[in-house]
Amino acid sequence: DAGVIQSPRHEVTEMGQEVTLRCKPISGHNSLFWYRQTMMRGLELLIYFNNNVPIDDSGMPEDRFSAKMPNASFSTLKIQPSEPRDSAVYFCASSWGGTGRNEKLFFGSGTQLSVL
Amino acid sequence: DAKTTQPPSMDCAEGRAANLPCNHSTISGNEYVYWYRQIHSQGPQYIIHGLKNNETNEMASLIITEDRKSSTLILPHATLRDTAVYYCIVRVAGNTGKLIFGQGTTLQVKP
Repeated sequence: DAGVIQSPRHEVTEMGQEVTLRCKPISGHNSLFWYRQTMMRGLELLIYFNNNVPIDDSGMPEDRFSAKMPNASFSTLKIQPSEPRDSAVYFCASSWGGTGRNEKLFFGSGTQLSVL
Repeated sequence: DAKTTQPPSMDCAEGRAANLPCNHSTISGNEYVYWYRQIHSQGPQYIIHGLKNNETNEMASLIITEDRKSSTLILPHATLRDTAVYYCIVRVAGNTGKLIFGQGTTLQVKP
């Protein structure tokens, strides 16, 4: 299995531009998570999906952020417009969840985003 | 989910056992203890989890006190590659798998 695949690996953009981060979860997993990591705030959960449905987006910082999961094998996190304070490493993770199961989260390698 | 407390940093000599403590005094009866680690610039990696019994796998051992208010992750023979941030998380097992990470313990394994 290739694991969770994220693209791009690095993204450098200018303030005001739209940024789209992509994630392909592990085949067969039904939960997907987007995390953001900075030195100041550590790992923050932004949003998570279960069976392609957003369950909790309370961690999304503001309306500039949006996430979609059109099917079980693909998700995007979009920032529009981007700001320098959005600079961070964005991780995608997936798991196989079910009632009573002890899910292990599998993380991708992350996207390093720099907004200039 | 219950809050956890971990020391911010620890050192360990290569080849020796690394014992990483975690306090979770408000843990509920249906909450599990999970450990993940994050090696520099990589995504977090699952290590082990348990409810009340001690657990062991190929990576580590997890010792949970009888009152479940604290636990210890043991890396039996630490190597330089075990240098990482180690996160202790408690949560209810369910059908969503949401994990909330704290600040963790930075383990530095020294030659």
